[in-house]
Amino acid sequence: TQLLEQSPQFLSIQEGENLTVYCNSSSVFSSLQWYRQEPGEGPVLLVTVVTGGEVKKLKRLTFQFGDARKDSSLHITAAQPGDTGLYLCAGWGFGNEKLTFGTGTRLTIIP
Amino acid sequence: NAGVTQTPKFQVLKTGQSMTLQCAQDMNHNSMYWYRQDPGMGLRLIYYSASEGTTDKGEVPNGYNVSRLNKREFSLRLESAAPSQTSVYFCASSLLGSYNEQFFGPGTRLTVL
Repeated sequence: TQLLEQSPQFLSIQEGENLTVYCNSSSVFSSLQWYRQEPGEGPVLLVTVVTGGEVKKLKRLTFQFGDARKDSSLHITAAQPGDTGLYLCAGWGFGNEKLTFGTGTRLTIIP
Repeated sequence: NAGVTQTPKFQVLKTGQSMTLQCAQDMNHNSMYWYRQDPGMGLRLIYYSASEGTTDKGEVPNGYNVSRLNKREFSLRLESAAPSQTSVYFCASSLLGSYNEQFFGPGTRLTVL
């Protein structure tokens, strides 16, 4: 069974600060995705990273896939209240037909 | 384009009652999934359908059944609900060859008393 552990589980910071969320596994993934979920809604895809060492930027969000394809990070610069939500990483293993989701990081940005 | 729709949005059942959660997508996706989300547990896969006519068990299939009615619709049935099935249920769909990027419905919040 492939497991993805996210840290921290909860994070509460002031508006304008920077933060990093981590997603780690002992398994190798062919690709990894990040989703954001707001209360009462389903998760929404933010990005997919597919190459070891890949870095993708989405405005103030920077996503990195580890060189060994076992881990990923999400860095937010100058956090805004609109960044508040549950962040989920999800990995697609080789030859699988389904994703493995991480345990999630609940982020709160305080105005 | 409605994306992925789910009905009902909320449901309260008594232990032992049965119900079916409905899901439909209008994006012509091949694969569909049912997940449950519990506090601190992330999303756990119940069942999935890689393509029309096929269904497979996920991580937590016990107590559930599914039907892939056609390419658009994928239903989840609880035959005899238990309090342990109190959860938020999400349906998702994805397109083959798209890194399995998933589009989620708004969820069904189910309480079993």
